[in-house]
Amino acid sequence: EDQVTQSPEALRLQEGESSSLNCSYTVSGLRGLFWYRQDPGKGPEFLFTLYSAGEEKEKERLKATLTKKESFLHITAPKPEDSATYLCAVQAFANDYKLSFGAGTTVTVRA
Amino acid sequence: GAVVSQHPSWVICKSGTSVKIECRSLDFQATTMFWYRQFPKQSLMLMATSNEGSKATYEQGVEKDKFLINHASLTLSTLTVTSAHPEDSSFYICSTRHDWGSYEQYFGPGTRLTVT
Repeated sequence: EDQVTQSPEALRLQEGESSSLNCSYTVSGLRGLFWYRQDPGKGPEFLFTLYSAGEEKEKERLKATLTKKESFLHITAPKPEDSATYLCAVQAFANDYKLSFGAGTTVTVRA
Repeated sequence: GAVVSQHPSWVICKSGTSVKIECRSLDFQATTMFWYRQFPKQSLMLMATSNEGSKATYEQGVEKDKFLINHASLTLSTLTVTSAHPEDSSFYICSTRHDWGSYEQYFGPGTRLTVT
């Protein structure tokens, strides 16, 4: 069974204080690892897809990286508008495009 | 990206009644759509995979007779919660994916269901 563990559960940052979120995964045959952002009371917003170890993707202050066992989401010089819950999900080749989600990391950025 | 809509955005119903939630893929046709449920402070749990023109595939532990899914067109899937009970109160979110190319899913804004 696919397993996704995210840490920490919550992260409080000062504006401009860079940090990283971790997503550890166990999956038999990884097709892709996905990062989403979810604001309270809304559906998840797609951020990145990573397919193979060593791959990196960037978007504004966010950078996602992937190894064979984990993924990191780096937030550089965060702003209050980066406050959200960040969700990691994996998709296995054997699982018909289904996503298995981690519990998420809730990031709060104070001005 | 992709635009996915859900209707209604929130609904309150009485115990024992049924509620229908619509999910529309607005900018591409989707053979496959997914339905998730999210309880407070928890992550998304896949309930079922909705297949256009055929029966939905339900995850283990999800009652197919309680959560009826219909995917009658390439842009519309509906989830009907039958004989709703307070424990069915949750945030229901649908998603779509392209039939070709990339594998990410695009999510709707969600529907908050409260059963009294």
